[in-house]
Amino acid sequence: QVQLVQSGPEVKKPGASVKVSCKYSNYTFPSYAITWVRQAPGEGLEWMGWISAYRDNTHYAQKFQGRVTMTTDTSTSTVYMELRSLTSDDTAVYYCATTTMTTPWFDPWGQGTLVTVSS
Amino acid sequence: DIVMTQSPDSLAVSLGERATINCKSSQSVFYSSNNRNYLAWYQQKPGQPPKLLIYWASTRESGVPDRFSGSGSGTDFTLTISSLQAEDVAVYYCQQYYSIPYSFGQGTKLEIK
Repeated sequence: QVQLVQSGPEVKKPGASVKVSCKYSNYTFPSYAITWVRQAPGEGLEWMGWISAYRDNTHYAQKFQGRVTMTTDTSTSTVYMELRSLTSDDTAVYYCATTTMTTPWFDPWGQGTLVTVSS
Repeated sequence: DIVMTQSPDSLAVSLGERATINCKSSQSVFYSSNNRNYLAWYQQKPGQPPKLLIYWASTRESGVPDRFSGSGSGTDFTLTISSLQAEDVAVYYCQQYYSIPYSFGQGTKLEIK
C-alpha cells in the first residue's frame, strides 16, 4: 500500500517561502504522479498542481503559476512543493496525494502540513 | 475551467435515514470514448485528510461501506448514504478529474439531526 508522509508544521513571515516535503513509500514513483491540494482554515479543497517523474513533468494551477515549484528527489523518495512570496491568504493545510493515468482520482493522501503565515 | 457546485451546503439527517448530496459541474465530465464520468467523492472528518469514497461517479472504493453510493452522469451527480450512521458525520466533496485544473465542490457538511 502506497504511503505518504509529509513534513511538519511551518510558521513563516509574509514575503517568505516555504518548502513542504512528501515522502512516498511502497511504490515506484515513475508509475505515479503526486498532486498537491491545500485547504485554508474552515474552507474547502483547492488543487495546486501535480508532478510526475515521467519526463519530470509538472502542471500548476494558473493561480499559482510563477509562485510554486514542485520537484522530486528519487534518491530519497521525496517530492517537494515550494511556495514563494507568502501572504496570510496562504495559511492553510497543504496535502499531497497520489494519482495515476489509469486511476486519476486522488488516493491515498498524506497527513497534511499546516503552514501559517503571520507577521 | 470546470466549476463544481454542491447542494446543500449543510444537511442534518436522523440516524438510520437517507442522506443525499448533489453535485453539479459547469460542463460535462463524461468521456464518450470510454463511457466514464470523471468524478470522485471524498469524505473528510475534522483533522483528517480527505478519504476517497467513490470514483468514476459510481464505483465504490474498496472498504467503503455499501450504504454509500454514487450516481449521475454528464453534469449532475449524487452521493447517497442509505442509512446514516454516527460515524458518517463529516464534510463531503465532489471532484472532477476530467480536465486541468482539477476542481472540487465547496463541500457539504453532514450532521446528525
